[in-house]
Amino acid sequence: EAGVAQSPRYKIIEKRQSVAFWCNPISGHATLYWYQQILGQGPKLLIQFQNNGVVDDSQLPKDRFSAERLKGVDSTLKIQPAKLEDSAVYLCASSLDLYTEAFFGQGTRLTVV
Amino acid sequence: GDSVTQMEGPVTLSEEAFLTINCTYTATGYPSLFWYVQYPGEGLQLLLKATKADDKGSNKGFEATYRKETTSFHLEKGSVQVSDSAVYFCALSGDNFNKFYFGSGTKLNVKP
Repeated sequence: EAGVAQSPRYKIIEKRQSVAFWCNPISGHATLYWYQQILGQGPKLLIQFQNNGVVDDSQLPKDRFSAERLKGVDSTLKIQPAKLEDSAVYLCASSLDLYTEAFFGQGTRLTVV
Repeated sequence: GDSVTQMEGPVTLSEEAFLTINCTYTATGYPSLFWYVQYPGEGLQLLLKATKADDKGSNKGFEATYRKETTSFHLEKGSVQVSDSAVYFCALSGDNFNKFYFGSGTKLNVKP
């Protein structure tokens, strides 16, 4: 079974630029999550989708971050404009539904200079 | 709110030593508890889980028991290997629609 796919693996941008990350969840998984993992910290949930609807985006900095999951499958996370403190690994995860375990992708490491 | 606290690292052990990584939690309701492992350059992998009090999760020689009375889920392994070197995250999933809360991670270094 294919896992959660993310791209790109690495990205370096200058502050104030924009960037987008892509995630393809495990086939058939209705729930998709985006986490931010700052170096030395545990992952922090940014946004959670159930199919193409948002379940929780309370910790998403909406002035600069946006995410969508059109058609309830793939998802993109965008940052515009980026700040130095956005440097982190962005993890995508998916689960069959809201009540089962989540499987994580390898993440995208973002460096903002 | 829900939260997880785990011991700070790094933890450095010799091969075949006994491992304990402490994890305590705060949660309302009846959370599920997890240990995830992150090897260098890779994503998070589920190591083991327990969904109710007194359950013991186990995998690859690692064990953890869900202790509701002490709100703990300590990770143990009787004999670590060099290949166990990684960062270990304790996490909980509460009643709130499978929202995960992670601890800050504990880095384990195992020396030959």
